[in-house]
Amino acid sequence: EAQVTQNPRYLITVTGKKLTVTCSQNMNHEYMSWYRQDPGLGLRQIYYSMNVEVTDKGDVPEGYKVSRKEKRNFPLILESPSPNQTSLYFCASSLYKRPWRPYFGPGTRLTVT
Amino acid sequence: AQKITQTQPGMFVQEKEAVTLDCTYDTSDQSYGLFWYKQPSSGEMIFLIYQGSYDEQNATEGRYSLNFQKARKSANLVISASQLGDSAMYFCAMVGYGSNYKLTFGKGTLLTVNP
Repeated sequence: EAQVTQNPRYLITVTGKKLTVTCSQNMNHEYMSWYRQDPGLGLRQIYYSMNVEVTDKGDVPEGYKVSRKEKRNFPLILESPSPNQTSLYFCASSLYKRPWRPYFGPGTRLTVT
Repeated sequence: AQKITQTQPGMFVQEKEAVTLDCTYDTSDQSYGLFWYKQPSSGEMIFLIYQGSYDEQNATEGRYSLNFQKARKSANLVISASQLGDSAMYFCAMVGYGSNYKLTFGKGTLLTVNP
């Protein structure tokens, strides 16, 4: 089944404890991206990757890191989480073709206390 | 840069009636795509419908149709024959094909379907 998976789905952690949210897709998509969703703000892009070893900042990259060593994986790293990073996170992937259709993962609900 | 505006924070509709959710957009790209997503209380993002800027006909997917008015820069979602399961948050989004394939989202409209 074609899908984007994220782990963990739910995480409660404490300020300053490094964490990684994994994202994996099985559709051989070149493009992957991370979004965060906050009430009243919609979804905002954190980072994106156009292919292996190619990543760039989105609209809200502060406090996050990413890497793209393999085509299927695009982990999101929070080196020192803070309470303002409490949010719902989505990973998405897509091919470079039109009509462009991003596939979203199920979301990761992160709480930083 | 792209911008999406959804002016209706919340909408109510009676079961079996039609409802229109408003979306206006702004972009400098000549080629772009418009999307609607549904987000139920469980949180996942469900793709509903897509409209390309050069598509001459309005997109339809079952009970969903996108009323695309290019000159007015609007891309309203029409849901016909509402069902209780349609109660959810709805997001309008767009991608500019001259940009980095970033989806820009509106702030969403919470639709409640009453029995």
